Amino acid sequence: AQKITQTQPGMFVQEKEAVTLDCTYDTSDPSYGLFWYKQPSSGEMIFLIYQGSYDQQNATEGRYSLNFQKARKSANLVISASQLGDSAMYFCAMREGSTGNQFYFGTGTSLTVIP
Amino acid sequence: NAGVTQTPKFRILKIGQSMTLQCTQDMNHNYMYWYRQDPGMGLKLIYYSVGAGITDKGEVPNGYNVSRSTTEDFPLRLELAAPSQTSVYFCASSDPGQGGIGTEAFFGQGTRLTVV
Repeated sequence: AQKITQTQPGMFVQEKEAVTLDCTYDTSDPSYGLFWYKQPSSGEMIFLIYQGSYDQQNATEGRYSLNFQKARKSANLVISASQLGDSAMYFCAMREGSTGNQFYFGTGTSLTVIP
Repeated sequence: NAGVTQTPKFRILKIGQSMTLQCTQDMNHNYMYWYRQDPGMGLKLIYYSVGAGITDKGEVPNGYNVSRSTTEDFPLRLELAAPSQTSVYFCASSDPGQGGIGTEAFFGQGTRLTVV
């Protein structure tokens, strides 16, 4: 089974609107971490936000927030007030506490911000 | 801070040639990784290392070899290059973090490899 599933190959959002990128995960480990990365067209991988499985509150970093629903095993990224510079690929990733030595990545979502 | 440095940034290989992708990190991270990213796809783990002298296979190790003689360096060797190895290669490093989680992976800029 896939450890990380991102079901939206492509998304479009109007500038200044909010957008949610979906991510579901599969693990039986009670301790795990969830990560979101941004990959602009230039190719580098930029870390955005982290959520730990024991964190009581949803993580936030500026315009990024993570909608963490543990029972549903989902960790959706919410980008508020989209900007043209947000156009990029977005990857969800997971790290399990029992091993901790691997990051599992989803297939990514391509986000296009429309002026 | 340099972070994770990969060389070269671009390379064209002929079928059957060999090459080494270099990766160095200056953050004293124990964990290092090599991923490949095919067009429009996510990252697939080739090899990883949890410390000097220790390496292990990831999801797609065939056709590659690694070594980890120091904490800083984690080179990836391609033997007998094939067109299927045309991809973008990323090296990354991380700390173990609390309980094995909690710290992100830091990525190099990537190496775009074309095998013709």
